[in-house]
Parts: sequence; structure tokens; C-alpha cells
Amino acid sequence: QQQVKQSPQSLIVQKGGISIINCAYENTAFDYFPWYQQFPGKGPALLIAIRPDVSEKKEGRFTISFNKSAKQFSLHIMDSQPGDSATYFCAADSGGSNYKLTFGKGTLLTVNP
Amino acid sequence: DTAVSQTPKYLVTQMGNDKSIKCEQNLGHDTMYWYKQDSKKFLKIMFSYNNKELIINETVPNRFSPKSPDKAHLNLHINSLELGDSAVYFCASSQSRGPYEQYFGPGTRLTVT
Repeated sequence: QQQVKQSPQSLIVQKGGISIINCAYENTAFDYFPWYQQFPGKGPALLIAIRPDVSEKKEGRFTISFNKSAKQFSLHIMDSQPGDSATYFCAADSGGSNYKLTFGKGTLLTVNP
Repeated sequence: DTAVSQTPKYLVTQMGNDKSIKCEQNLGHDTMYWYKQDSKKFLKIMFSYNNKELIINETVPNRFSPKSPDKAHLNLHINSLELGDSAVYFCASSQSRGPYEQYFGPGTRLTVT
């Protein structure tokens, strides 16, 4: 059972464009939603995270939008750069005593120069 | 200084063999994890330890046995390797159990022939 659905699977954007990656979840107990960025041959690294008590969080060119009622959240990358080319994973925290992250299937972003 | 390190980086072995992967973190974190990333990049948690105590044990074949000799180390031993075990295995650590940033190691690419 996939608890976090991520789309699209791959995305090609021109330099300077906006990249948008969407995620949807089912478990209403989730209360922490991070995005991780992974470059080829490297481990994932935290990019930005949000809690459901806010609808938006911005860090530089990266913004998370969160819609609690729709159980959806998205990552927006403004002014996309070739250096942003990587795989992006959304995730959700199950909460409770057995805290664990459930990851989406990932989006391969390619930013063309 | 590498925050989370893993050895070896590459592991090529034959079916039926037993192998181990080692992980060390120098961040002073209490919680460590093992993740498996398959060929489609899907990232799934396998185990989590908090202060040397196993707190998450996902549906993983019992051929996989984690061991945490101390808070800074988490090893993964795999018995009777199968073709389907081929994947990249990531170790990660976080400050504590809960919605904290997880720091991933560089991964160990295991290829079973």
C-alpha cells in the first residue's frame, strides 16, 4: 500500500522555469512532510520540510504548499537551474512511538540550460 | 569530516553468500536507520535503532539482521544473498526519534550475481 503518491515520475524544465512536484497522502495521522533531494551516486539530503499547521513554507527558491483538507502538498522550484537536476522525494511522518518516514516514489527533474 | 559513512561503497557477490555493511555516524545522534533503494529509486525503510534499541523492523526477510554495538554504529548483515537483494542500501541518522532531519550516508551498492 503506497501511502504517499508522488507525481510526475519525471519532469523536464527549461532554465529559469518553475518546477512543480505534487504529492498526496492518505493517512491523516501524518504530521510532518519533508522533501529530500538526491543527486546521482549520493544519499538523499533534506531540502525543506513543513508541518500541517502552515499552508506554505519558503526557503530561497524552494516553496512547499500544503493543503490539509485535500491531503496534498507540493514542491515549487522557482527559477530552476541546471544544478537543481536531481531526484526529489516527498515524504511523510507516521507519528506515534514508531516514528518513520514513508517516501514517495521520486521525481527525476532535469533542468535544461 | 564525513557525518555518516558506510563501508563498503560497492559490494559484488554471488548468490548464497553472506555479507555485511557497516555504518558510522559522528553527529552524536541517537537514532539510526537502514533504507533500501531499489532499481526504480524507491526508498523504503528497513530498520531503525534508537539508543541501540531496535524500534522499527519492517517486513524484511529474516536473512537481514541489523546490529548496533553502540549509538554511533549500525551494521547490516545479510545471509544467503539472493538476486533480489541487489539494491543500494543507505544508512541514515537523526538527532532522535521523531520529525528530525535524517542525514544519509553515501550508500552501498550491492550487486548479487
